[in-house]
Amino acid sequence: GAVVSQHPSWVICKSGTSVKIECRSLDFQATTMFWYRQFPKQSLMLMATSNEGSKATYEQGVEKDKFLINHASLTLSTLTVTSAHPEDSSFYICSDNPPGGRYGYTFGSGTRLTVV
Amino acid sequence: EDQVTQSPEALRLQEGESSSLNCSYTVSGLRGLFWYRQDPGKGPEFLFTLYSAGEEKEKERLKATLTKKESFLHITAPKPEDSATYLCAVQAPGAGSYQLTFGKGTKLSVIP
Repeated sequence: GAVVSQHPSWVICKSGTSVKIECRSLDFQATTMFWYRQFPKQSLMLMATSNEGSKATYEQGVEKDKFLINHASLTLSTLTVTSAHPEDSSFYICSDNPPGGRYGYTFGSGTRLTVV
Repeated sequence: EDQVTQSPEALRLQEGESSSLNCSYTVSGLRGLFWYRQDPGKGPEFLFTLYSAGEEKEKERLKATLTKKESFLHITAPKPEDSATYLCAVQAPGAGSYQLTFGKGTKLSVIP
């Protein structure tokens, strides 16, 4: 099956700084990847769809200027949390988008972001 | 709007005590229903995909079933290593890609 590698696993940053999270597809070409956010005891909420070579598609209520997504190659999508605030502290997870969308999506291992 | 409701929120079982987790859903144009297992601090791990009512799939102690309104994840004779949060998600066409809508999950604890 597909392998999705996500880094870092956890990061602590100060308020006002920016943090970049990487999501790599190790054994397939990913034209589309998804970014989710998960708060404690809550479901995974889709933030955006990352499209290789074009702009990301953001879900309603997600600030595109705050959560910058770059998908410049077929193997790497990045999510940058800009000017982070404590309320941005969460668990961020990426996934692939399998062909035809009918097979099990593969998720990264997630990134725990804590903003202090 | 697609909705997924999982119950119970939490479930404690004795080792060997079989039970079922429920996932109720409302979605326009269901393409698939997914079950995932998530361990603390980890990304979800794929278990099953179900596509049509009446379909069943099994893997070790787990069996997933699907009707037109809900899905069940049956756990037979669970072991402590089955302790995890089990997530249900539905897939429907959206924005050109096939997005998943997740439920909040059921946290399963299996006591030795």
